[in-house]
Amino acid sequence: GAVVSQHPSRVICKSGTSVKIECRSLDFQATTMFWYRQFPKQSLMLMATSNEGSKATYEQGVEKDKFLINHASLTLSTLTVTSAHPEDSSFYICSVEPGQGNDEQFFGPGTRLTVL
Amino acid sequence: KQEVTQIPAALSVPEGENLVLNCSFTDSAIYNLQWFRQDPGKGLTSLLLIQSSQREQTSGRLNASLDKSSGRSTLYIAASQPGDSATYLCAVKGNTPLVFGKGTRLSVIA
Repeated sequence: GAVVSQHPSRVICKSGTSVKIECRSLDFQATTMFWYRQFPKQSLMLMATSNEGSKATYEQGVEKDKFLINHASLTLSTLTVTSAHPEDSSFYICSVEPGQGNDEQFFGPGTRLTVL
Repeated sequence: KQEVTQIPAALSVPEGENLVLNCSFTDSAIYNLQWFRQDPGKGLTSLLLIQSSQREQTSGRLNASLDKSSGRSTLYIAASQPGDSATYLCAVKGNTPLVFGKGTRLSVIA
């Protein structure tokens, strides 16, 4: 399967600061990456679909100005949580889909964000 | 809107027992169904992928079945081991990106 890395694995920040999370596809070129958020004891919820070279597609209820996504290359997508607040504390996970359309997805190890 | 439900929410079994985890989904128009394992504080590990045209997939001690018409899938774990302790997530792919259930938290007691 595909190998996906995320950095950092854990971050603690003060309220009002911005945090950038990187997602890298290590062994293939990904034109599309997905960003999910998982609150404690809850399921993963898709936040947005990151498209290389174009704007991300955000799910309903996700503020695009707060969660900035940049997919500048075929191996890297970044999620920036701007002006983070305690309610943004969550587990953020990215994924890639190596095949075309309806194939298996592979996930990164996740980033635990804690906003004080 | 697709909804995925997993039952039970938590399960504790003695080592060596065979067990079944259940997943149901409301919209049967899916392309595939995927089972994942998630350890505490970690990302997801893909276990099995079943395409909509398939009935089951096997990998080692794991067997996943799919009944698309009734909107159900099961994950069968044979001869459970303490190392199987984790949360197991079911996710379906249709015309929308993956939709996840809340998972079943499994504890295998030595």
